[in-house]
Amino acid sequence: DAKTTQPNSMESNEEEPVHLPCNHSTISGTDYIHWYRQLPSQGPEYVIHGLTSNVNNRMASLAIAEDRKSSTLILHRATLRDAAVYYCILDAYSGAGSYQLTFGKGTKLSVIP
Amino acid sequence: KAGVTQTPRYLIKTRGQQVTLSCSPISGHRSVSWYQQTPGQGLQFLFEYFSETQRNKGNFPGRFSGRQFSNSRSEMNVSTLELGDSALYLCASSLARSNGLLSYEQYFGPGTRLTVT
Repeated sequence: DAKTTQPNSMESNEEEPVHLPCNHSTISGTDYIHWYRQLPSQGPEYVIHGLTSNVNNRMASLAIAEDRKSSTLILHRATLRDAAVYYCILDAYSGAGSYQLTFGKGTKLSVIP
Repeated sequence: KAGVTQTPRYLIKTRGQQVTLSCSPISGHRSVSWYQQTPGQGLQFLFEYFSETQRNKGNFPGRFSGRQFSNSRSEMNVSTLELGDSALYLCASSLARSNGLLSYEQYFGPGTRLTVT
């Protein structure tokens, strides 16, 4: 299984940008990079995904290294609601169109008021 | 549109019993996946269904099974419950890939909290 490496925890001050790193050195050419987050007592929530180019949406930005061996999730202004566990996941196509997301332990983000 | 719904939200069962959990995906989503989340093992993939067929299966014993109906609703069943089956069971739905290079986000439900005593 394609694996990712993330720091166990990070802290950020409220209203400051947050850069959450992820290493995925064994990524294959067709693997998409996904980010999900899980707030306390909730199911995971999709944040963003990309393949090769940087991506932006209303929640965050995803910066993908040129060699695709690492990526960074950027929250432009952290709010208290952004305190969650953030998972970096590789969507490795296993054939026949099926999905199988492999979650690691993620990064627990704390936001300080 | 309505999100992924799971029923029941909480369940308490006794060792040896069986349990059935239900998941209704987002309208139009034909892929439904199930995950188990425990404090020790984190989130682990159980299986994925598409068009009433199981396409992918994680590393869980045969006591864990599932099915999908023609309206894409899915159920998972755990027979002969063990204490270690206590977990949050999450269902996720997604659009189907149209070819091997496309990837879509998965939408997760709130989960069913199963406690086995």
